[in-house]
Amino acid sequence: EIVLTQSPATLSLSPGERATLSCRASQSISSYLAWYQQKPGQAPRLLIYGASNRATGFPARFRGSGSGTDFTLTISSLEPEDCAVYYCQQRTDGLTFGGGTKVEMK
Amino acid sequence: QVQLVESGGGVVQPGGSLRLSCAASEFTFSDYGMHWVRQAPGKGLEWVAFIRFDGSNMYYPDSVKGRFTISRDNSKNMLYLQMNSLRTEDTAVYYCAKDSTYCSTSDCYANWYLDFWGRGTLVTVSS
Repeated sequence: EIVLTQSPATLSLSPGERATLSCRASQSISSYLAWYQQKPGQAPRLLIYGASNRATGFPARFRGSGSGTDFTLTISSLEPEDCAVYYCQQRTDGLTFGGGTKVEMK
Repeated sequence: QVQLVESGGGVVQPGGSLRLSCAASEFTFSDYGMHWVRQAPGKGLEWVAFIRFDGSNMYYPDSVKGRFTISRDNSKNMLYLQMNSLRTEDTAVYYCAKDSTYCSTSDCYANWYLDFWGRGTLVTVSS
């Protein structure tokens, strides 16, 4: 089973700061990685697929990058509405999610 | 806009059974693979099952294989999850989710990315 490890567990930043979230796979998954955003009390929403393709409805400040085993989700300038838990997901071997990174406002 | 509405959750004793349903609308249900994903209280996401657009193949992780069965009725735009031999660790919110399936002229191919989710239904396994 491919394990996805996300870091940090929690990210506390001020509005306007850059957020950098990491997702590391236990073996190569090429570019078969997605990111989801989940706000409290809501279902997850697909944010990024294929490592770097932004899903409909998300602004350009969200950017996904990486390939192989190391992936990054960058929020260039944090807005209050970006507070959420972000999960990565691989589809190379079954389907597994990382443990999540919580982004909160300082 | 895609609509997915889960139902059937509730409280069940360990060893019991429950059947979840997901009503789909505002898209061509029969063209898309579908998933179930669960989230234990305060925890992360766990994929539970996938079924191809035509119901020809189903996939499960080891944690539920042999106990859970995913099925669909394309004539009714409905997705189901039959859960047997339930354990306390199966307690979670269960979401149905649409796969971002790609269809060519000859076949449809699952992308295994989940582009729309329902709001979920809570299953509590407790004595």
